[in-house]
Amino acid sequence: GAGVSQSPRYKVAKRGQDVALRCDPISGHVSLFWYQQALGQGPEFLTYFQNEAQLDKSGLPSDRFFAERPEGSVSTLKIQRTQQEDSAVYLCASSPQGTGGYEQYFGPGTRLTVT
Amino acid sequence: KQEVTQIPAALSVPEGENLVLNCSFTDSAIYNLQWFRQDPGKGLTSLLLIQSSQREQTSGRLNASLDKSSGRSTLYIAASQPGDSATYLCAVRSFMNRDDKIIFGKGTRLHILP
Repeated sequence: GAGVSQSPRYKVAKRGQDVALRCDPISGHVSLFWYQQALGQGPEFLTYFQNEAQLDKSGLPSDRFFAERPEGSVSTLKIQRTQQEDSAVYLCASSPQGTGGYEQYFGPGTRLTVT
Repeated sequence: KQEVTQIPAALSVPEGENLVLNCSFTDSAIYNLQWFRQDPGKGLTSLLLIQSSQREQTSGRLNASLDKSSGRSTLYIAASQPGDSATYLCAVRSFMNRDDKIIFGKGTRLHILP
């Protein structure tokens, strides 16, 4: 079966532009996570959904970042008025159930470069 | 607040040697611990997942152990090969404050010398 997919794989944006990053989790997976990975660093948590409910958005760095998962499947991470410090790889992961020790499956990431 | 630390940050060893990567975490209230591999410019590949009730997991030349009480995990790689060169990330899924999130270490960059 298909794994987690993300699009686009690469995105170049001029400073001040808005961008939208898409994540297609594995079908039927309840949990969905977004992470931001700066160059040379480990991924850092941004936000977490259980179905369509955004249960934790404590990692979003500013109010320019917004995530949604309206039907409990596909999720979109939107960044408004992009800044150079937003340049990073954005990773999406899904997990079969809600809370618990279930394995996380990661997508390939979207590399965002803000010029 | 859960914190995950990986030591060393970088490691170079000759081909054929056995090696150990270390991961420590500050809070033992975890669901599981997962080791990932990341090649340059690529996503994460899951290597081993250890549930909180388990002590170790093995896959081929890889063995991961978990000591939850001391907040430590190790990834043992036997008979290293140049193809093992990558960044290895440790991640803990924890439920602090009723939140469910995955906290990553900064990784160990491994280089196997041919």
